[in-house]
Amino acid sequence: AAGVIQSPRHLIKEKRETATLKCYPIPRHDTVYWYQQGPGQDPQFLISFYEKMQSDKGSIPDRFSAQQFSDYHSELNMSSLELGDSALYFCASSGRTAYNSSYEQYFGPGTRLTVT
Amino acid sequence: LAKTTQPISMDSYEGQEVNITCSHNNIATNDYITWYQQFPSQGPRFIIQGYKTKVTNEVASLFIPADRKSSTLSLPRVSLSDTAVYYCLVGYSTLTFGKGTMLLVSP
Repeated sequence: AAGVIQSPRHLIKEKRETATLKCYPIPRHDTVYWYQQGPGQDPQFLISFYEKMQSDKGSIPDRFSAQQFSDYHSELNMSSLELGDSALYFCASSGRTAYNSSYEQYFGPGTRLTVT
Repeated sequence: LAKTTQPISMDSYEGQEVNITCSHNNIATNDYITWYQQFPSQGPRFIIQGYKTKVTNEVASLFIPADRKSSTLSLPRVSLSDTAVYYCLVGYSTLTFGKGTMLLVSP
């Protein structure tokens, strides 16, 4: 079965540079979520989109922005990178089930960002 | 958002049943209880979700008492490959990860 695709899988950037992470959700999923997981930390919710509109916002720094496009893929743009931004960035997608309104999220493999 | 509390770590042996209990005293009426499994450097993987009573699938069971202030994930006959971090989350759509439970399965 198709899974969530994230690219690139690994990215190395220097301080103050910018980075763009991409996420391609499972087909027919309409919601995308972004999470950040630092070394030894638990995943932290950043932001989510439903039908191309921002649906919820977590601890996303002002230096970061994201959007969901018409084909439902999403991009996380990160500017003025700091050493503390080094982390695994996960994208997850979900779609409404037939029986209830809860959402089972399917996570991608993640992008490992290293800022030097 | 409801806050969850679960043990930091648990140890077990292959073939045993493991029960991980999660407390969520402030769960809201429309919140679901969801458990995820995460291996190092991999994205969390959905295990099971429930609203009340008992839910069972091919990998686990989830027990939820009537007051919904706690839940117990039951993993039958664990194997070495079940060594992972297990997260209990409550919510409707957005997931807020707390401190998970590191389960170590030994031979």
